[in-house]
Amino acid sequence: DAGITQSPRHKVTETGTPVTLRCHQTENHRYMYWYRQDPGHGLRLIHYSYGVKDTDKGEVSDGYSVSRSKTEDFLLTLESATSSQTSVYFCAISSTGAFPEAFFGQGTRLTVV
Amino acid sequence: SQQGEEDPQALSIQEGENATMNCSYKTSINNLQWYRQNSGRGLVHLILIRSNEREKHSGRLRVTLDTSKKSSSLLITASRAADTASYFCATDVTGANSKLTFGKGITLSVRP
Repeated sequence: DAGITQSPRHKVTETGTPVTLRCHQTENHRYMYWYRQDPGHGLRLIHYSYGVKDTDKGEVSDGYSVSRSKTEDFLLTLESATSSQTSVYFCAISSTGAFPEAFFGQGTRLTVV
Repeated sequence: SQQGEEDPQALSIQEGENATMNCSYKTSINNLQWYRQNSGRGLVHLILIRSNEREKHSGRLRVTLDTSKKSSSLLITASRAADTASYFCATDVTGANSKLTFGKGITLSVRP
């Protein structure tokens, strides 16, 4: 398995609190992604990064921010969690060149109460 | 709306039959990829086809790409119960720094 770790794996938090999810990779891949998965919506891209300190918005970026200060870590922050952000969050990494396929973490189940 | 849309949303077949899944997308792509997700797990890459390719094979998988119609199909031959999973297509959008977007997925059930 590709070296990609998400933490925490499960979290319950209260509405209005900030939450940070961490994605850590040991593959030195250039690209990192954050997705959320909800029934009926498949995977939706929140933010992605194409290098250290280089990030861009995805389809559902409102209410989320990201940071990538080093190659191996990509942080997703919910500034003020809402119940609509209850979801399963997946991080993914990919490289360039001949094998650009993405590798996924195991997911973080976040519940906002 | 999402870049990729799979069709059908759900598919139920008998073991040994072939399963065909389709994906349509909206904008120019560098490549199109198919992934599988078993219940409660992360996605696993199955096969990738580049924009200048029309067909690729990998084991029991065959994928086609028609860039003029902005569509792709995934064929799983001689299906097995273990193929039961959700399948997603993903597109690497041209000129977007490897922005990888997914569709809503197809739920495949293979009956023993």
